[in-house]
Amino acid sequence: DAGVIQSPRHEVTEMGQEVTLRCKPISGHNSLFWYRQTMMRGLELLIYFNNNVPIDDSGMPEDRFSAKMPNASFSTLKIQPSEPRDSAVYFCASSPSPPNQPQHFGDGTRLSIL
Amino acid sequence: SQQGEEDPQALSIQEGENATMNCSYKTSINNLQWYRQNSGRGLVHLILIRSNEREKHSGRLRVTLDTSKKSSSLLITASRAADTASYFCATGRNSGNTPLVFGKGTRLSVIA
Repeated sequence: DAGVIQSPRHEVTEMGQEVTLRCKPISGHNSLFWYRQTMMRGLELLIYFNNNVPIDDSGMPEDRFSAKMPNASFSTLKIQPSEPRDSAVYFCASSPSPPNQPQHFGDGTRLSIL
Repeated sequence: SQQGEEDPQALSIQEGENATMNCSYKTSINNLQWYRQNSGRGLVHLILIRSNEREKHSGRLRVTLDTSKKSSSLLITASRAADTASYFCATGRNSGNTPLVFGKGTRLSVIA
């Protein structure tokens, strides 16, 4: 079975550039989550969707971050403009409803902003 | 704010020994889950224990839950070098729309 698929696996870009991270959840999963992981702050929930609708985006750090889920099989996390402090590993995860059930994680996108 | 807090932050043991990691949380829960993360990979779900359960086993894993103390432990028996990873607890609240909250994890090193 295909798991959660994230792309790209690695992204290196210069400060000020737009960054778009992509995620394909597991088919049939109704909840999708975006996380950011750093050594200092651990794993932070940025936003989660249920049935393609954003439910809680209180973890999105700033207006520079935005996330969309145009359909059940695709989501994007965009940072514009990017800053060096955005450097982290970004994970996408999906789960069947409700959102307190086990989650399946992708292998993440390692983002470096120079 | 973090719901689950793992203890210790790091643990180093010899292959064949048992490893015990603890998790404490602050509010009422529906379930508690443990995840493993290998270096450079995403988290992988290991086991879920419901709030009305006290102990659960899966292979070499044993999880206990004490809701009166708001704590859980993960025991890995007869550890192997391949168990080297970070282990996270995550709590699921009773509210249907509240997602899991993850702790900061315990880094386990199993030395061959």
